[in-house]
Amino acid sequence: NAGVTQTPKFQVLKTGQSMTLQCAQDMNHEYMSWYRQDPGMGLRLIHYSVGAGITDQGEVPNGYNVSRSTTEDFPLRLLSAAPSQTSVYFCASSYSFRGSSYNEQFFGPGTRLTVL
Amino acid sequence: GQNIDQPTEMTATEGAIVQINCTYQTSGFNGLFWYQQHAGEAPTFLSYNVLDGLEEKGRFSSFLSRSKGYSYLLLKELQMKDSASYLCAVRLRSYTGGGNKLTFGTGTQLKVEL
Repeated sequence: NAGVTQTPKFQVLKTGQSMTLQCAQDMNHEYMSWYRQDPGMGLRLIHYSVGAGITDQGEVPNGYNVSRSTTEDFPLRLLSAAPSQTSVYFCASSYSFRGSSYNEQFFGPGTRLTVL
Repeated sequence: GQNIDQPTEMTATEGAIVQINCTYQTSGFNGLFWYQQHAGEAPTFLSYNVLDGLEEKGRFSSFLSRSKGYSYLLLKELQMKDSASYLCAVRLRSYTGGGNKLTFGTGTQLKVEL
């Protein structure tokens, strides 16, 4: 199993450009999520999905769109990039995230995005 | 709102024991995770607590007191490779039918010295 994969690893954008960060998992996980990590801010949840066709907003959703057409893929779209979106983006997945059962989240390697 | 506090930095000696504390004030508590994150890498799972008490896993142990909103991660027999950031994360119950959400603290940077 490849686990959680993310592409690209690095990206530089100009203000106003759009792009899609890709995330895929091959573990048949129900739950997928996107985080951004900034110095001194910890990991913050952007959007998450509990299954194909179902998405919801996290803590910092503005400026980002998501969709979940398949169990495996959960792309994150930046509609019009801004310097404030310079960050490291992590995708994560777990089998389920309902109830209080233990379900470890597996993280992808991250995408380092710079917006000039 | 949700609030999770951890010390920003800690330093310890190789072979020693270190305790990293995490306090939280949240609504809908549904479990607490500890993750380890080396510089430039993704977080990796260390432990999970949902009931009060101590969970032991090799050199790592984690404790939870739900009534006090308090957890700690205990690392024994410290090794140089334990130098990393340690993230406390609280899982919050969702009342909207969706999945639970994970809220992270800002992390504790641990430096292990000779």
